[in-house]
Amino acid sequence: EADIYQTPRYLVIGTGKKITLECSQTMGHDKMYWYQQDPGMELHLIHYSYGVNSTEKGDLSSESTVSRIRTEHFPLTLESARPSHTSQYLCASSNGPFYGYTFGSGTRLTVV
Amino acid sequence: SQQGEEDPQALSIQEGENATMNCSYKTSINNLQWYRQNSGRGLVHLILIRSNEREKHSGRLRVTLDTSKKSSSLLITASRAADTASYFCAPTLEGGADGLTFGKGTHLIIQP
Repeated sequence: EADIYQTPRYLVIGTGKKITLECSQTMGHDKMYWYQQDPGMELHLIHYSYGVNSTEKGDLSSESTVSRIRTEHFPLTLESARPSHTSQYLCASSNGPFYGYTFGSGTRLTVV
Repeated sequence: SQQGEEDPQALSIQEGENATMNCSYKTSINNLQWYRQNSGRGLVHLILIRSNEREKHSGRLRVTLDTSKKSSSLLITASRAADTASYFCAPTLEGGADGLTFGKGTHLIIQP
């Protein structure tokens, strides 16, 4: 079944650690996105990709980086986690702005 | 990208009643999408209405679009406890600029 997967579902990690949040989709979508969302708040677009080897920064400045080496995979990396990075991170994919987005279940990150 | 603004911010109704939530936006659009988010989860795409459509149905959902007023509404008929969630609208700019932007949503609570 076509879907989008995020791992881990929950992550608690110490300050200064390097982390990678995984996102994979099986739908063959060219467009992929990362959003950041604090509880009860709006989603903020932090990164997106048009396809392999394409990455763009979103509306909200983020210290994270992304890569797109394969169509199905769009990992997000934080080189040195800080408590201010504590949030929920949502990955999504689509066939473009004229189609609906498919979201993963999210990764809830807590940096202590 | 542009942000839709949902209204009301919160809505509490009895099971079986209808729920209506509204969305306003500021510039010309290609389409407008509605999403649902259950607590702590990713967003689920509900319905997409194009700028040349005025009304669209999907099961118990009815979406209207008034481009002259730059507004849309989502009606959920015969609400159920499982409809408790946050609902977001996301307008897509006429030019199709990528990366949907989401507001704070309408938090809907269905009382048993």
